[in-house]
Amino acid sequence: ELKVEQNPLFLSMQEGKNYTIYCNYSTTSDRLYWYRQDPGKSLESLFVLLSNGAVKQEGRLMASLDTKARLSTLHITAAVHDLSATYFCAVEFNTNAGKSTFGDGTTLTVKP
Amino acid sequence: AAGVIQSPRHLIKEKRETATLKCYPIPRHDTVYWYQQGPGQDPQFLISFYEKMQSDKGSIPDRFSAQQFSDYHSELNMSSLELGDSALYFCASSRQRAWGYTFGSGTRLTVV
Repeated sequence: ELKVEQNPLFLSMQEGKNYTIYCNYSTTSDRLYWYRQDPGKSLESLFVLLSNGAVKQEGRLMASLDTKARLSTLHITAAVHDLSATYFCAVEFNTNAGKSTFGDGTTLTVKP
Repeated sequence: AAGVIQSPRHLIKEKRETATLKCYPIPRHDTVYWYQQGPGQDPQFLISFYEKMQSDKGSIPDRFSAQQFSDYHSELNMSSLELGDSALYFCASSRQRAWGYTFGSGTRLTVV
């Protein structure tokens, strides 16, 4: 079964703190995506990770991929309120190339 | 830059009615995807088209159909609407998947 699991599902953190969101998936993946979604809004593409050991950074967010462990992380550094949103990882499995299976999402709330 | 355009933004229909959602992908994008996102849920893949041909099918009910036209826009047709069809429907497009997908703003369908 093709499964994508994120944890935690809900995360409340103080401004200035660091935290990591985890994304585990069940079988070999072709590529992995991270998206941000604000309430009632569209999905904003953050990162595309294509190979083992890939690391990408944009501002306070850094994503990495370990294909052997079937794990991706989204690390938040020195969180600010503007980062409050729901973050989804989405995986394209090799057997279903071209469509993404999404994790349940992590709802992040950053408090002053 | 042009984005993925979806119309309408909001749609209210009664049970058993039909609805048509439209998607205009980014110019020169060769693939269109449709996703359904229920309240508090992660997006679920419905169907995709590559160069105007259906390329993959997900959890799309038989009451739904979709097509991509010669100008690359796509339409999702939904018949015999049920209350459970109330959701955000996203269209996304891509060109050479390595660069990820761009999602439209979505159509919020409410079935009453």
